[in-house]
Amino acid sequence: KAGVTQTPRYLIKTRGQQVTLSCSPISGHRSVSWYQQTPGQGLQFLFEYFSETQRNKGNFPGRFSGRQFSNSRSEMNVSTLELGDSALYLCASSWGTGGDTQYFGPGTRLTVL
Amino acid sequence: KQEVTQIPAALSVPEGENLVLNCSFTDSAIYNLQWFRQDPGKGLTSLLLIQSSQREQTSGRLNASLDKSSGRSTLYIAASQPGDSATYLCAVCDDKIIFGKGTRLHILP
Repeated sequence: KAGVTQTPRYLIKTRGQQVTLSCSPISGHRSVSWYQQTPGQGLQFLFEYFSETQRNKGNFPGRFSGRQFSNSRSEMNVSTLELGDSALYLCASSWGTGGDTQYFGPGTRLTVL
Repeated sequence: KQEVTQIPAALSVPEGENLVLNCSFTDSAIYNLQWFRQDPGKGLTSLLLIQSSQREQTSGRLNASLDKSSGRSTLYIAASQPGDSATYLCAVCDDKIIFGKGTRLHILP
């Protein structure tokens, strides 16, 4: 069974631009969560989607948004990029919600110049 | 607000030793607690998940315990090997998943 895939793996953008990251969950998984990982803040929860609905949201500004499609694939968008958005963005999928084991993708490394 | 703390932040031990990593959390109303491993520049690998009703879980050389009342969990690694070198993260689930900042483990050959 294929694992969680994330594209692209690496991305370089400049301040003010916007970016879209993609996550394909494990087949059959309906929940997708997104996390931002930085050396200073560690891993922080961005949002969780289940059956195309945002179920939970972390404490991030509205520039961070996401969506989930009917095939459970998810995208995350960051508008008006800032230098501080440079991070590893991780996606995780699980069968359901409520604390099912999460399976993580390799991440997208975003660098904002 | 749930907070998860991992101590120590970094640890170096000689190969073959048994070791314990610690995790504490402030709100005991959790669904479960997970331990993950992260290799440099990579995603996370789930090691063990302990449901709130359980006290411990074991997988091979790994044993994780959970004491909800005291807000603590430990990850015990037996007979450590150089391949165990990685960052170990603890995460609690109470609707959202909150991670600790991890313990960077280095096993000395």
